[in-house]
Amino acid sequence: QVHLVQSGAEVRRPGASVKVSCRTSGYMFTSYGIHWVRQAPGQRLEWMSWIDGTGFIKYSQSFQGRLTVSRDTSATTVYMELSSLRSEDTAVYYCARSVPWLQIDYWGQGSLVTVSS
Amino acid sequence: EIVLTQSPGTLSLSPGERATLSCRASQSVSSSSLAWYQQRPGQSPTLLIYGASTRAADIPDRFSGSGSGSDFTLTISSLEPEDFGVYYCHQSGTSPRTFGQGTKLEIK
Repeated sequence: QVHLVQSGAEVRRPGASVKVSCRTSGYMFTSYGIHWVRQAPGQRLEWMSWIDGTGFIKYSQSFQGRLTVSRDTSATTVYMELSSLRSEDTAVYYCARSVPWLQIDYWGQGSLVTVSS
Repeated sequence: EIVLTQSPGTLSLSPGERATLSCRASQSVSSSSLAWYQQRPGQSPTLLIYGASTRAADIPDRFSGSGSGSDFTLTISSLEPEDFGVYYCHQSGTSPRTFGQGTKLEIK
């Protein structure tokens, strides 16, 4: 059974950084990629980045320079770090699985990140 | 980027009624890369339809998808109380992936 389990809620001050983890299980880790998608209050889902089975990473231009995605293959875990946080980054951050160019089929439970002074 | 526009914004229907949700893309989308999700309050999205018309595993056959090019439709043939939530369309064929703004389905 496929599971994507994310780290818990975080509160940060503006200008700080946050790192969210996504521990995967139940499938061949290197056969699928992981996306990061966020949802700000009342807003649509927003795609942030993709790391594929080989470790290739693609970022949305909206986050270029502030977003770092990494992975630990031995732990089948993917990480998302967002820096220079501002209040507009307050959102639920999801990791989600797919193969290239096709549908996302499984989602993590989401991690709420609150940016507030 | 491809902008997906969903209509209506909110749909309020009774159990047993038919729901028709629309997703229009700002440019042509490959049918193989169009999906629909349901999101209930406080939950993650759940995949309903992929490839524009293929039901995901364990999705009841009252859910169906259709369309091509820039116009896609999700139909729920006979609403059940558990069908409430927000429905999103999503295109994965052109980077960056994008989502519609959602249609909120309320069950009377």
